[in-house]
Amino acid sequence: DQQVKQNSPSLSVQEGRISILNCDYTNSMFDYFLWYKKYPAEGPTFLISISSIKDKNEDGRFTVFLNKSAKHLSLHIVPSQPGDSAVYFCAASDWPGTYKYIFGTGTRLKVLA
Amino acid sequence: DSGVTQTPKHLITATGQRVTLRCSPRSGDLSVYWYQQSLDQGLQFLIQYYNGEERAKGNILERFSAQQFPDLHSELNLSSLELGDSALYFCASSGGQRVNIQYFGAGTRLSVL
Repeated sequence: DQQVKQNSPSLSVQEGRISILNCDYTNSMFDYFLWYKKYPAEGPTFLISISSIKDKNEDGRFTVFLNKSAKHLSLHIVPSQPGDSAVYFCAASDWPGTYKYIFGTGTRLKVLA
Repeated sequence: DSGVTQTPKHLITATGQRVTLRCSPRSGDLSVYWYQQSLDQGLQFLIQYYNGEERAKGNILERFSAQQFPDLHSELNLSSLELGDSALYFCASSGGQRVNIQYFGAGTRLSVL
């Protein structure tokens, strides 16, 4: 039972353009969402998060949008840079109910120079 | 550098054997989490410890066990290994002001032959 889904295994975007990564979830008890970035041979690195009381959170070039009614969140990267090429994981938790994250399977982003 | 250290980086062993993976959390973090990532899968939560006590459990096999020691480092023990246990095992820690953000180590790649 995949509670967090990233339906696009890969995405290619031209440098300077917007990258949009999507994530859907099924559990309405999730109230905290995170995006992690992972380079090869490294562990996931925290990128940005959003709590269910907000619908948008921005940090520099990265913005996360949350649509609770659709159980959908997205990560926007503007402008995309070649260094953004990595695997992006969406994660959810019912913080502070439990402490575990439920991860999606990831989207491999390639930013073309 | 996340501040979370995992050893060893790589481990090759045979079916039926037992191995121990070690994790040192970030300085001051009381919580340690273990995740398993199989090929092309998301990270699957295994278990969490908080200040030496088990706090949450995921789909961890009975052949797997973990503990957190008084110095807060943690060990994940995998026994009676099977081919399907080959995976990346990540440790994460959390604590301090951003208690709901987990910081990941670089992982241990386990190959069972």
